[in-house]
Amino acid sequence: NAGVTQTPKFRVLKTGQSMTLLCAQDMNHEYMYWYRQDPGMGLRLIHYSVGEGTTAKGEVPDGYNVSRLKKQNFLLGLESAAPSQTSVYFCASSYGTFNGYTFGSGTRLTVV
Amino acid sequence: AQSVAQPEDQVNVAEGNPLTVKCTYSVSGNPYLFWYVQYPNRGLQFLLKYITGDNLVKGSYGFEAEFNKSQTSFHLKKPSALVSDSALYFCAVRGSNSGGYQKVTFGTGTKLQVIP
Repeated sequence: NAGVTQTPKFRVLKTGQSMTLLCAQDMNHEYMYWYRQDPGMGLRLIHYSVGEGTTAKGEVPDGYNVSRLKKQNFLLGLESAAPSQTSVYFCASSYGTFNGYTFGSGTRLTVV
Repeated sequence: AQSVAQPEDQVNVAEGNPLTVKCTYSVSGNPYLFWYVQYPNRGLQFLLKYITGDNLVKGSYGFEAEFNKSQTSFHLKKPSALVSDSALYFCAVRGSNSGGYQKVTFGTGTKLQVIP
């Protein structure tokens, strides 16, 4: 089925460890996004991409890096994990900025 | 700065009764408005959007939303609630400036509980 696939679904990290979250979409969408969801705070944009080879900072980019080497993939990296990065991470994509987003099922990350 | 307010953390409604989930917004220019639903342990799913035109927008699963420019509101509605509608609902807004990416701001979500 067409959509957005995120891996892994769950992960526990120790403080200071690094990891990469993978997002893949098969809808040929130009725009891709990484959000984090925290209780009572809604969704906050970490980074986004308006096309292959492009990335830009969102509202809360510190401590994260991204890459979009291929149009269908958008990677989110945590360089040195901190407990404050414990969250649920969602990847999304869209055909344009006037359309609704298609979200992945999320990655639940715990940093201890 | 644009913003979205969902004034109710939780809405309880009896099955079969009409439901309303409230959303108000603030944005420069004309708004583009969206509603999403999130079921437990799932990502958000797009329900409907308002871009322009008729103030009553129909979407998935029998939901509709009414845009009111004077009240800067975009309330989500359904004539008859189902237990399966129980979920977390998010309102979102972006401005209408053309050209490139425009920030989308999400509300904090309203939990809808439909009671059998």
